[in-house]
Amino acid sequence: ETGVTQTPRHLVMGMTNKKSLKCEQHLGHNAMYWYKQSAKKPLELMFVYNFKEQTENNSVPSRFSPECPNSSHLFLHLHTLQPEDSALYLCASSSRDRDLQGYTFGSGTRLTVV
Amino acid sequence: QKEVEQNSGPLSVPEGAIASLNCTYSDRGSQSFFWYRQYSGKSPELIMSIYSNGDKEDGRFTAQLNKASQYVSLLIRDSQPSDSATYLCASGGNTGKLIFGQGTTLQVKP
Repeated sequence: ETGVTQTPRHLVMGMTNKKSLKCEQHLGHNAMYWYKQSAKKPLELMFVYNFKEQTENNSVPSRFSPECPNSSHLFLHLHTLQPEDSALYLCASSSRDRDLQGYTFGSGTRLTVV
Repeated sequence: QKEVEQNSGPLSVPEGAIASLNCTYSDRGSQSFFWYRQYSGKSPELIMSIYSNGDKEDGRFTAQLNKASQYVSLLIRDSQPSDSATYLCASGGNTGKLIFGQGTTLQVKP
């Protein structure tokens, strides 16, 4: 248990489905992140939330919709995805007022779009 | 474009040897540097952080930072098969946002 919990661990969805990924952190951090990790590629930052406000959207397609109701919870809502969206989706958190501490990652959701 | 570069490998070393993993970064404003270990199918795990020029040792791991050369390295002494994983280098500035390299795959052969 890393202190950052992601559910589900695995998800298979059709291109017309709607699903949500959930992330919860128990570390008292105030910044949360969504990353996408595809095979043979660096981690791609998708969204950043600081104190539950979105501060960055890295040109992510609108079929990915984040939601951060509070500093401990982060969601990624998915709809009409494409097969190329299949990847490992990682949530991370950090303490924004201690920039040098690095991130703590959740265990990830392995997403397969069919 | 701020980047962190790593050789993707695989880097293959025999058990008991020293594994040397290298990383360069482009943003001279970077202040913090991290090494993450990622086992296949798992999430990245922070193993070392370094902020000042020089060496930082933690058990079998030594991180080295040279800001003039924009170079970070990770040495793993007495490598074990359980060290076989992908190692991600990351740099951070005053925005709190980390930039990750693509990772180097390490294989430690018994």
